[in-house]
Amino acid sequence: GQQLNQSPQSMFIQEGEDVSMNCTSSSIFNTWLWYKQDPGEGPVLLIALYKAGELTSNGRLTAQFGITRKDSFLNISASIPSDVGIYFCAGRNYGGATNKLIFGTGTLLAVQP
Amino acid sequence: GAVVSQHPSRVICKSGTSVKIECRSLDFQATTMFWYRQFPKQSLMLMATSNEGSKATYEQGVEKDKFLINHASLTLSTLTVTSAHPEDSSFYICSVGVEGYEQYFGPGTRLTVT
Repeated sequence: GQQLNQSPQSMFIQEGEDVSMNCTSSSIFNTWLWYKQDPGEGPVLLIALYKAGELTSNGRLTAQFGITRKDSFLNISASIPSDVGIYFCAGRNYGGATNKLIFGTGTLLAVQP
Repeated sequence: GAVVSQHPSRVICKSGTSVKIECRSLDFQATTMFWYRQFPKQSLMLMATSNEGSKATYEQGVEKDKFLINHASLTLSTLTVTSAHPEDSSFYICSVGVEGYEQYFGPGTRLTVT
């Protein structure tokens, strides 16, 4: 199936550092979402973006809906050990939450205390 | 957001047997649920969209006769893996799509076929 490309694939950082990751697509999306998945659990929604150019924050997390509608970025400031996990972007081509999502390849984040 | 549960959380079965996984929406009525599978160190791949009161919509390459989906009520969808084989071993995750909110995921079910 179709997937979105995420980069980097993995990141190993020190506690307190800022983190940036992005997600790109060859097609346009009307919604971008960012999820975090801990080992052995389901993804948890972090941020939802609905308009091109939109910049939204959730605590130390900030995400942007790219102006071309083909990409999105997630930044984490002042990382802490509990930020460890896999971060997935997800895009939706049309409609609302009852329409399917396409997931990115994931970014593994490791934070060393 | 929606609270979603899955049962069982882990299941081990023998090759050739069938396994049923339940997905429940605990605080929203869900006309639409989704079933994903996730292999180790990989992303989530959508298997099918489960529609309450009608047939599921399967993604390309997913065998509908092997992965039976039933969405008999607004709070319950089930996925039955029929005649399971070792290659069906995976992490199966459901989600609930709630208009005005977003997709919320269950905790997942780890299936191991021996």
